[in-house]
Amino acid sequence: DAGVTQSPTHLIKTRGQHVTLRCSPISGHKSVSWYQQVLGQGPQFIFQYYEKEERGRGNFPDRFSARQFPNYSSELNVNALLLGDSALYLCASSLLGTATDTQYFGPGTRLTVL
Amino acid sequence: TQLLEQSPQFLSIQEGENLTVYCNSSSVFSSLQWYRQEPGEGPVLLVTVVTGGEVKKLKRLTFQFGDARKDSSLHITAAQPGDTGLYLCAGAVSSNTGKLIFGQGTTLQVKP
Repeated sequence: DAGVTQSPTHLIKTRGQHVTLRCSPISGHKSVSWYQQVLGQGPQFIFQYYEKEERGRGNFPDRFSARQFPNYSSELNVNALLLGDSALYLCASSLLGTATDTQYFGPGTRLTVL
Repeated sequence: TQLLEQSPQFLSIQEGENLTVYCNSSSVFSSLQWYRQEPGEGPVLLVTVVTGGEVKKLKRLTFQFGDARKDSSLHITAAQPGDTGLYLCAGAVSSNTGKLIFGQGTTLQVKP
C-alpha cells in the first residue's frame, strides 16, 4: 500500500512569490496535518484537517492557508514568501486525527526561498 | 505555550554503548510519540505511549512515559551504527486533535 505522498519533492522560489504544496494521505485516512521543519529543529504544527474541516491551526501568519478535498488530499498554500519560509514541509495522515491515533508522515517538500 | 525540552541535542557514542534521551515538559500530554528521522525523509513513528507510567519495548529500545504524563525517555541498549539518526519526541496536546508538539530533536551518531 502507498504511504503518504507529497509533491513536489523540492521547490525553489523567490521572495514575494506564492507556493502550493500537495499531499495525498494513506488510503482510508481522513485526517491530514501540515508541519514546518526548519533545519536543526523539530517540526512545528501548521494545520490539521479532518473530513474537509479545519480542526486545528498553529501559530503561523495568515499567509499560510490550507484546504482538504473530498478525496481527503490536501493543499498547503503560502503567499508572499519570505526567506524564513525556507524549510521542509511535512504532511502527516491519520485515520481519525485524534491524539492517540498514529500519524504517518510523508517524505516532505523541501522549499527554498531565495 | 506548550514546550517539549529534549536532551541531549547531540550524542556521539561508540557501538555497544547504552544511551538515554529525555523529553520534558511542564504540560500534561494526552499521549507522547517517538519518531526517528533520516536526512531528507519524514519522521517514522517508533512508539506511542498513552498511560502514565507506561513502558514499551521495541527490540533494544525502551520507552517510558512519566507517571504525570509530562515527561518521557528513550533508552537504547547496545547501540549499533544503524541506530544513527534524529530522534524526535512529540506530545499530543488534546484528546480531540492530532496536533503534535515536537521537541527539538536528538541527533545520535553511533560509530563502529
